Amino acid sequence: QVQLVQSGAEVQKPGASVRVSCRTSGYTFTDHYIHWMRQAPGQGLEWMGCINPKSGTTHNAQRFQGRVTLTRDTSVNTVYMDMTRLRSDDTAVYFCARDISWQDLVWWLDPWGQGTLVTVSS
Amino acid sequence: SSELTQDPAVSVALGQTVRITCQGDTLRKYYASWYQQKPGQAPALVIYGKNNRPSGIPDRFSGSNTGNTASLTITGAQAEDEADYYCYSRDTSGDPWVFGGGTQLTVL
Repeated sequence: QVQLVQSGAEVQKPGASVRVSCRTSGYTFTDHYIHWMRQAPGQGLEWMGCINPKSGTTHNAQRFQGRVTLTRDTSVNTVYMDMTRLRSDDTAVYFCARDISWQDLVWWLDPWGQGTLVTVSS
Repeated sequence: SSELTQDPAVSVALGQTVRITCQGDTLRKYYASWYQQKPGQAPALVIYGKNNRPSGIPDRFSGSNTGNTASLTITGAQAEDEADYYCYSRDTSGDPWVFGGGTQLTVL
């Protein structure tokens, strides 16, 4: 079955960087975009960006431009989310999810990774 | 930037019907998908497109679309449906994709 498995929890200091990985299996890696979202404690979901695993092309949310980099390694079917200059308000659970679309009318995310808690604290 | 607006909280009596709505200009052009999230879990897809359910989602969940509003309806709500629900869609301005703010559903 299709699975997305994320790396483990991270604790980082303000100003540091973090990498979260999303290892996929059960489908052709290059056939589907991977999206990244985050959820701060007690808050809603926030879309961060996505990557086309075939081409490496990325689209980032405006608020993360310059701080978030998405990459992929097709040899291990894995996508990476790197975030720099971490702040305390980056503390959140970070999710990856596989994108599926139909006729440029609807997009859905299925399945999701289990989530990775990133805590930014001095 | 475009937005998807949801009511923050909705409640329903056990076994009754509840509609959760999502409003935004982008929904005049694109369909939404809907996600259920229970505490401590990742979101899970429940409805996508016009009215499509992934395998394993009970048929009490349905979707509909009118103008700038997408709706998720639960017909005969069960205790296990108590969760947060989020809509999601392509955006026509601002960021390429966007989530609604989420609706916390309480089953009484």
